[in-house]
Amino acid sequence: DTAVSQTPKYLVTQMGNDKSIKCEQNLGHDTMYWYKQDSKKFLKIMFSYNNKELIINETVPNRFSPKSPDKAHLNLHINSLELGDSAVYFCATRQGGTYEQYFGPGTRLTVT
Amino acid sequence: TQLLEQSPQFLSIQEGENLTVYCNSSSVFSSLQWYRQEPGEGPVLLVTVVTGGEVKKLKRLTFQFGDARKDSSLHITAAQPGDTGLYLCAGAGVGSARQLTFGSGTQLTVLP
Repeated sequence: DTAVSQTPKYLVTQMGNDKSIKCEQNLGHDTMYWYKQDSKKFLKIMFSYNNKELIINETVPNRFSPKSPDKAHLNLHINSLELGDSAVYFCATRQGGTYEQYFGPGTRLTVT
Repeated sequence: TQLLEQSPQFLSIQEGENLTVYCNSSSVFSSLQWYRQEPGEGPVLLVTVVTGGEVKKLKRLTFQFGDARKDSSLHITAAQPGDTGLYLCAGAGVGSARQLTFGSGTQLTVLP
C-alpha cells in the first residue's frame, strides 16, 4: 500500500478553470501539508493542516484552498487557474511530536 | 522569512569521488532534514538532525548540523551512480505545525 497517494498524477487544463487535487494517507498522521515545486525544483510550503488549525503561507493566493473531508484526506482546490500555477504539487504528512514528513508522488499541473 | 541557501546547485562527479553539499541560513531551526528526490517522485527523507553539532552517518553519507543550528552539510564518500538525484535540505520551524523551509536543492550526477 502506498503511504501517501495523490490523484491525478498529471493534470492539464485551461486558464480560468477550477480543479482539485486529492491526497490520501494511510499512515494515521495528524498533520498534512501541501507544497508547490516550481520549474527550478524549489519546494515551497503552501498549507499545513491538522484537525485543530490551518496555517496558510502568506504568499499563497486565495484562489487556493485546502479541504479536508476527514483525517486521512487533504484535497487542494484551485479556482480560476492561471499560467503561473503550472508546477508540481506535493502532499505530505507528519505525525505529531515528530519531525519527519512523508511525501506523496506529486501532481504535475499544466495550465495552458 | 527563513531562507536556506544550498550549494552547489549542480554537481557532476565520477564514481568513487567524494563530495560535500552545504546548506546555510541566518535563521535558527528546531531541526534540519535532508531529502533525496528522484525524477517523477516525491522527496524521501534521508536523515533528521536536531542537536547543534550533531553528526549522523548513513552508510557512505555523513550529515552534520552546525553548532548554532543554522547550517548543515552532507558529505558522500566514494559516490556511486545510485547516489544520483536532487538533494534537498529543509529546516523545521519552531511552531507546532513544524513547517519546513526547503533549500534550493543540489542536483548530483555521479557518472560511472
